[in-house]
Amino acid sequence: AQSVAQPEDQVNVAEGNPLTVKCTYSVSGNPYLFWYVQYPNRGLQFLLKYITGDNLVKGSYGFEAEFNKSQTSFHLKKPSALVSDSALYFCAVRPRYSGGYQKVTFGTGTKLQVIP
Amino acid sequence: DVKVTQSSRYLVKRTGEKVFLECVQDMDHENMFWYRQDPGLGLRLIYFSYDVKMKEKGDIPEGYSVSREKKERFSLILESASTNQTSMYLCASSWGGGTGELFFGEGSRLTVL
Repeated sequence: AQSVAQPEDQVNVAEGNPLTVKCTYSVSGNPYLFWYVQYPNRGLQFLLKYITGDNLVKGSYGFEAEFNKSQTSFHLKKPSALVSDSALYFCAVRPRYSGGYQKVTFGTGTKLQVIP
Repeated sequence: DVKVTQSSRYLVKRTGEKVFLECVQDMDHENMFWYRQDPGLGLRLIYFSYDVKMKEKGDIPEGYSVSREKKERFSLILESASTNQTSMYLCASSWGGGTGELFFGEGSRLTVL
């Protein structure tokens, strides 16, 4: 069975400081990995994804994520946090199999609070 | 841009009522999904559909049913609402192939009294 762990319920960071939101996963083979963001009372928005190749993936709003196969991690990063980055962040994994629909599994989410 | 529209942002219903949540997408996506979001539990898949009139159970289908009569529309039905179905419901869609990133609607917050 596949699973995603986001070990921190909340991450607090000062505005201008770098931020990291952690994600580890368990799935057979080489999965597709995703980050989504949810602002209050809104749906989720796609931020970025890892498919193959370069382990550092760049996405929307200056976010990037680092894929580490040996540690089965896909941590979300940003060099300089903005107050407007405050939101709920979800990591997700999808197996890379052909044929049929492959289920996406989400983590439980990490609330990012950027302090002015 | 992909647009996924959920018909109701906020609903208040009474126990035992039948509830319909409607979702429409405008990008000709094959796959459509209904998730439930609860604090500390993340997103849990209720049902999904990979084609018109096709449906598959997700992780928590009990107490729910779905309908997909047209490709762009996917409805979630609560036959007899209960208080433990108070939650945020999220509709999503995706292409049939590819990497499968999901496009979400704004969510429907349902309160069952």
